[in-house]
Amino acid sequence: KNEVEQSPQNLTAQEGEFITINCSYSVGISALHWLQQHPGGGIVSLFMLSSGKKKHGRLIATINIQEKHSSLHITASHPRDSAVYICAVRGGDMRFGAGTRLTVKP
Amino acid sequence: EAGVTQSPTHLIKTRGQQATLRCSPISGHTSVYWYQQALGLGLQFLLWYDEGEERNRGNFPPRFSGRQFPNYSSELNVNALELEDSALYLCASSLGTSGGLHSYEQYFGPGTRLTVT
Repeated sequence: KNEVEQSPQNLTAQEGEFITINCSYSVGISALHWLQQHPGGGIVSLFMLSSGKKKHGRLIATINIQEKHSSLHITASHPRDSAVYICAVRGGDMRFGAGTRLTVKP
Repeated sequence: EAGVTQSPTHLIKTRGQQATLRCSPISGHTSVYWYQQALGLGLQFLLWYDEGEERNRGNFPPRFSGRQFPNYSSELNVNALELEDSALYLCASSLGTSGGLHSYEQYFGPGTRLTVT
């Protein structure tokens, strides 16, 4: 079993839909990151969380330390949100989920 | 302000050769991280340098090595290249280990795509 599990692996949505991507982890962590990777490989760090909730524009990230679970929400999704979203946890080193491939159709 | 830069963008090598990849962090950042993303696989942590010292290492053989220079730029060396070393190698930088949680926020470079034939 992977130490960082993401679901779903693939997600297709219509423009405007509310999106949720989940991440569960089994190791002790000091922080959790949500990353966005576009085709071509470039990675952008969206959030770094150690507790609670963060919001940036249409993106919201939450973390429940007791349940070892985090969610990334995208409100009013747009085709430009199409990318792979990766959950990463920082303990002694960084461990990554396999990613969720999101496709938003117009 | 310039972001994290990596060179070269693409690198083609033959099995058995050595590859050297370079990373320049954001100005003021002292930590550099290296990651491997092989085709069809997720990101894997390779190395972490801070203030010139290797702080942590992922589960990779010793032929993967690196160093961090006094100006905080970093080099990743891969010796005795194997076909499965073909991957996108990403570098990230952060402020460092002091200053609270925000100092661990990582900023990624565009990557070096290494192809081993």
